[in-house]
Amino acid sequence: SQQGEEDPQALSIQEGENATMNCSYKTSINNLQWYRQNSGRGLVHLILIRSNEREKHSGRLRVTLDTSKKSSSLLITASRAADTASYFCATGGAGSYQLTFGKGTKLSVIP
Amino acid sequence: DVKVTQSSRYLVKRTGEKVFLECVQDMDHENMFWYRQDPGLGLRLIYFSYDVKMKEKGDIPEGYSVSREKKERFSLILESASTNQTSMYLCASTKDRASYGYTFGSGTRLTVV
Repeated sequence: SQQGEEDPQALSIQEGENATMNCSYKTSINNLQWYRQNSGRGLVHLILIRSNEREKHSGRLRVTLDTSKKSSSLLITASRAADTASYFCATGGAGSYQLTFGKGTKLSVIP
Repeated sequence: DVKVTQSSRYLVKRTGEKVFLECVQDMDHENMFWYRQDPGLGLRLIYFSYDVKMKEKGDIPEGYSVSREKKERFSLILESASTNQTSMYLCASTKDRASYGYTFGSGTRLTVV
């Protein structure tokens, strides 16, 4: 069952601009993760934020988590053409083995 | 570099055939997963395994089975392939439940004709 819902479904920006993607979910979570998928390939783990954290950074990525609103955002700063991909959020429940993925945001960065 | 390897990138099979998709990881991970990915539907969990010889159904197990005889290998079996099983199949593994990131394979694009 899908829990995460990304917004927008598609996003097109110019190189150098910032890209923001949002994720909303429905039930309580232990952690929330973001993944990237280049066309036709497997997913790559980008960053994990735990339910007791509010913000996390990794290079040009910044993730925020608001558990009261059951939402997260992924910010990619100074985007590059190589950032063109689909981005998925995934939620993990306490004690759960499995992640539940959203349907993704398709990001296009125009050179 | 740690890896999850799926045996085939592209596969074409005929309706009714028994199909085996193989996945091997070299990270000594306990947990392994099979997802299918379809446009507009996202990733849907088929089966997962949290230990050797252990398996659990995911959201869409019908028409599939799995085998995990060794820790590093998790196989997905389509008992009698049908055209509605044409999809991208993704294998993943993780160290400890859902508290760590998944490592995915490159995917197998299966076409059933």
